[in-house]
Amino acid sequence: EIVLTQSPGTLSLSPGERATLSCRASQSVSSSYLAWYQQKPGQAPRLLIYGASTRATGIPDRFSGSGSGTDFTLTISRLEPEDFAVYYCQQYLSSFTFGGGTKVEIK
Amino acid sequence: QVQLVQSGAEVKKPGSSVKVSCKASGDTFSNSAISWVRQAPGQGLEWMGGIIPLFGTTNYAQKFQGRVTISADESTSTAYVELSSLKSEDTAVYFCARVPSLYQNLWFDYWGQGTLVTVSS
Repeated sequence: EIVLTQSPGTLSLSPGERATLSCRASQSVSSSYLAWYQQKPGQAPRLLIYGASTRATGIPDRFSGSGSGTDFTLTISRLEPEDFAVYYCQQYLSSFTFGGGTKVEIK
Repeated sequence: QVQLVQSGAEVKKPGSSVKVSCKASGDTFSNSAISWVRQAPGQGLEWMGGIIPLFGTTNYAQKFQGRVTISADESTSTAYVELSSLKSEDTAVYFCARVPSLYQNLWFDYWGQGTLVTVSS
């Protein structure tokens, strides 16, 4: 099973700041089999990024994804109030697994 | 626009079974797979298994093998997950999600609203 490790566990930032979230895989998932999701309390996850760097429909361009192999990054260029949430990475190369999540909270 | 609408909350006794449904809109079943993901209170996301309704093929996470059954009824565009031998640790919100391909693993682009299953004596 491919294990995904997200860091940090919690990121405390202010609106307008840049957020950088990391996702590390236990083995290579190439550059095509990694997605990112946003989840707010009481809601289902929402797809942000697939194929490591392609934004899903309707996702603002302040969200960007990068990386390949075992190291991936989700960047939110300028945090808006609605961006404070939990973010999960997911690999779909071999079955499906999720990282443990990074909570982006208001500082 | 794809919509996945799940059945309502359930309260079950330990040792019993629960079956949660997920009704898909339009022709979702003709070109998609459906996966089930659960989330225990305050915890992360855990993939349980999935089905390609058009072919009836299923695959399950090893953790749930033997205890979970995923099925689908094409006539009603409804997918189901049934979990047996329930324990308190199975208390979670259960989500269905769409995979936009019949032939390969891809991302989950649409999600149901979630169904809370509470296991308590």
